[in-house]
This record gives sequence, structure tokens and C-alpha cells, in this order.
Amino acid sequence: NAGVTQTPKFQVLKTGQSMTLQCAQDMNHEYMSWYRQDPGMGLRLIHYSVGAGITDQGEVPNGYNVSRSTTEDFPLRLLSAAPSQTSVYFCASSPGWNTEAFFGQGTRLTVV
Amino acid sequence: AQSVTQPDIHITVSEGASLELRCNYSYGATPYLFWYVQSPGQGLQLLLKYFSGDTLVQGIKGFEAEFKRSQSSFNLRKPSVHWSDAAEYFCAVGLDYGGSQGNLIFGKGTKLSVKP
Repeated sequence: NAGVTQTPKFQVLKTGQSMTLQCAQDMNHEYMSWYRQDPGMGLRLIHYSVGAGITDQGEVPNGYNVSRSTTEDFPLRLLSAAPSQTSVYFCASSPGWNTEAFFGQGTRLTVV
Repeated sequence: AQSVTQPDIHITVSEGASLELRCNYSYGATPYLFWYVQSPGQGLQLLLKYFSGDTLVQGIKGFEAEFKRSQSSFNLRKPSVHWSDAAEYFCAVGLDYGGSQGNLIFGKGTKLSVKP
């Protein structure tokens, strides 16, 4: 049982570079979401999706784009990385409204 | 807006001692409440959840939590802490109105250290 898989685990970017963080789940969950975790801030919701083709903004969406073309995949794109985006990023999936979220192992991103 | 507060940033307990981690939430019509644990360098693992019914819920690893509507609290407890419980603990609530409804909002976490 793979659950939620995130790639890569670690990444270093230069300011202005773009990249995509990958997230895939094999539990057929409708809900998927991206959080960022910063020291002393807990987890903050970036974007989320309630099904294929449907995405919406969370608490801290600026600088990030998402799309959801399939149930399984929910990539997070950084179009022009900034040092303020240095963080640990977690992808999660859940079967529905306000249900338990299953988390990936995280991607540690450093922007220099 | 709905929110979650974990008043304690860092707690240290001795191995074998009891533990209580505090969590307060702002009122939602139907509180969906969760506790997660995060070991260093790992993702988040669900310890327990409350949706309705019995206000004392049992979770994995010997943890339990009690929902108290009158106090807007969902405190996590363990009668005897083991060294392996050292981790960061997050309380979360499901958003049932406003933006991002249907998703979880997290507290800022409580880091637990265990003394031998």
C-alpha cells in the first residue's frame, strides 16, 4: 500500500527557477491538498482539490499553481521560486469532507 | 474564522509520567477534530479523531482525547509516556464554513520531549 507518494524528497532551487512537486495517491480519494510547514507556524493550506478538474485556493496560495487532471495526481507548481518559499511541503488526500487526511512524507525545498 | 490553538509550544515530561496536550478550537457547527503526530523528518500520522458520539475517543499508541464542547477543547492524554513518544503533536479541526471548507486547519504544534 503506497498511500500518498511525494517526489522529490529534497530539492534546492535558485531564486527565479521553476519546478513541480509531484504528488500521487492510490486510494481513490476525491480530496487532495497541499500544505507547507514552517517552524512555529504549523501546517498551512496552499491549494486543494475536491475532485478531478476542480481546484481552489487555501490560506497561502500566492506563488503556487495546481491542476488536477486525474483523481490520482495533484502536482504543485512553483513558477518563479523565492526564498520565502523555502519550506517543507506536504501533500495529503482524504476520502471526503472533513475526513481524515493521509499525508505523504514531505518534500524539503530550499530556495537560495 | 475557525481556528485551532495549541497553547504549549514545548513540553518536557519524564518517561513513565502522564501527559496532557491542550487544544482549543473556535466553534464550528459540527466539530470534526483530529490529533496527528509527526516524528522528526517524517510525515503526519493520525492518532485519533472525533466526529460525534462518545466524547472520549481512543487512538493508537495508547493515546486518548476528550471532547468538551463547553470548553471548546480536545485535549490529548496518555497515562504513561514512553521515550518513543517524543515527537511533535498537531491538533486539527475540519472547516465547515468559509473558505477552504471540507479541509483541515492545524494548530501550530506542541513539541514533546521525554526525559529518561
